[in-house]
Amino acid sequence: EVRLVESGGGLVQPGGSLRLSCAASGFTFSSYAMSWVRQAPGKGLEWVSAISGSGGSTYYADSVKGRFTVSRDNSKNTLYLQMNSLRAEDTAVYYCAKGAAFTPRDAFDIWGQGTMVTVSS
Amino acid sequence: QSVLTQPPSASGTPGQRVTISCSGSSSNIGNNYVYWYQQLPGTAPKLLIYRNNQRPSGVPDRFSGSKSGASASLAISGLRSEDEADYYCAAWDDSLSGLWVFGGGTKLTVL
Repeated sequence: EVRLVESGGGLVQPGGSLRLSCAASGFTFSSYAMSWVRQAPGKGLEWVSAISGSGGSTYYADSVKGRFTVSRDNSKNTLYLQMNSLRAEDTAVYYCAKGAAFTPRDAFDIWGQGTMVTVSS
Repeated sequence: QSVLTQPPSASGTPGQRVTISCSGSSSNIGNNYVYWYQQLPGTAPKLLIYRNNQRPSGVPDRFSGSKSGASASLAISGLRSEDEADYYCAAWDDSLSGLWVFGGGTKLTVL
């Protein structure tokens, strides 16, 4: 069974840092791009970041560029999102999503259950 | 303000056919595939339609997608109570360094 399990969310003060993880199983992790998509409370979906299957190409939304870093460890089947200089507007459920291809330009065909990040003093 | 434009709400009665529109531009829908996601209350999104009009295995053929120019639509026929959910369109955007864009979402109510 293809499965994605996020972890690492929690409460953090403005300006703080947090690292999210996404453990993947049930597929050849290194063959597929991965993305992070977030959803603020009561709001719609917002794409955050993507990384190619090899990790050689990364992409960011303008809203997080320079503050967030996406990475992956294909030996551990794990995706990461390092979030620095967090702001109140980063408060959201963060979903890990599997791409349908090696490059990030195809569908998000499997989603994790999400992990909540709250930025507040 | 989302890059892709969807109506905030739609509704229908059981058995009816409803459509949800998604409008973009040449940099996203006009030159790339459109994808649709269904988000049932309290759950993670699920892929509903990929590459404009393809259904993943397990998605009923009551759901169909289409695209024309820089616009797309999702049609749901034979509406059922379990279709009540939020629906999002998405597309890759070729502007700048490349990125994904979503519609603001449409809340479908089954009356």
